[in-house]
Amino acid sequence: AQKITQTQPGMFVQEKEAVTLDCTYDTSDPSYGLFWYKQPSSGEMIFLIYQGSYDQQNATEGRYSLNFQKARKSANLVISASQLGDSAMYFCAMSHRVRIITGANSKLTFGKGITLSVRP
Amino acid sequence: DGGITQSPKYLFRKEGQNVTLSCEQNLNHDAMYWYRQDPGQGLRLIYYSQIVNDFQKGDIAEGYSVSREKKESFPLTVTSAQKNPTAFYLCASSIGQNSNQPQHFGDGTRLSIL
Repeated sequence: AQKITQTQPGMFVQEKEAVTLDCTYDTSDPSYGLFWYKQPSSGEMIFLIYQGSYDQQNATEGRYSLNFQKARKSANLVISASQLGDSAMYFCAMSHRVRIITGANSKLTFGKGITLSVRP
Repeated sequence: DGGITQSPKYLFRKEGQNVTLSCEQNLNHDAMYWYRQDPGQGLRLIYYSQIVNDFQKGDIAEGYSVSREKKESFPLTVTSAQKNPTAFYLCASSIGQNSNQPQHFGDGTRLSIL
């Protein structure tokens, strides 16, 4: 079974500093994807960054980078130069293929999330 | 602008009543999903659909039903059999069934019991 673990308590960071949000995962499937989503207090889920299990390079998207350590099964999100608007819940999720009668599909398994607060 | 529209934003259900949450997308995505989020928790998959007229149960399908008669629409019915329906419901879609495609989400519907 697939599992995502996010165990950090609420995180605090000073504006303009970098912060790392931890995520570990467990799967026996060699092919999977790892995603990070941001959920502000308004509730919508915003896609931030993706890392494939076969990708050799760590993914980067603007101020977001993913520290992918496959052997340790970790996929930590690094936010550089934090901004006040980064205050939100952050979810790590893993996608994996499932076989169904009509073909195949991918499913996402989410962690419980981490609350990040950016201090001015 | 393309996106996913969920309605209503807030919904109240009486005991023994079925209610339907709407989800419409104009992204031309094949796959659609429904998730439930409880306070302080991650998302749990209720149902998902890869193509029109086909859908699969997720991890917590009991007490819910869906239909997929059109590509753009994936309504979720919370039936009276769902004894604890109070939660935040999120609809999502993705281009296809590839596991490297991100899911895009609507703004959610908050359901409460009267």
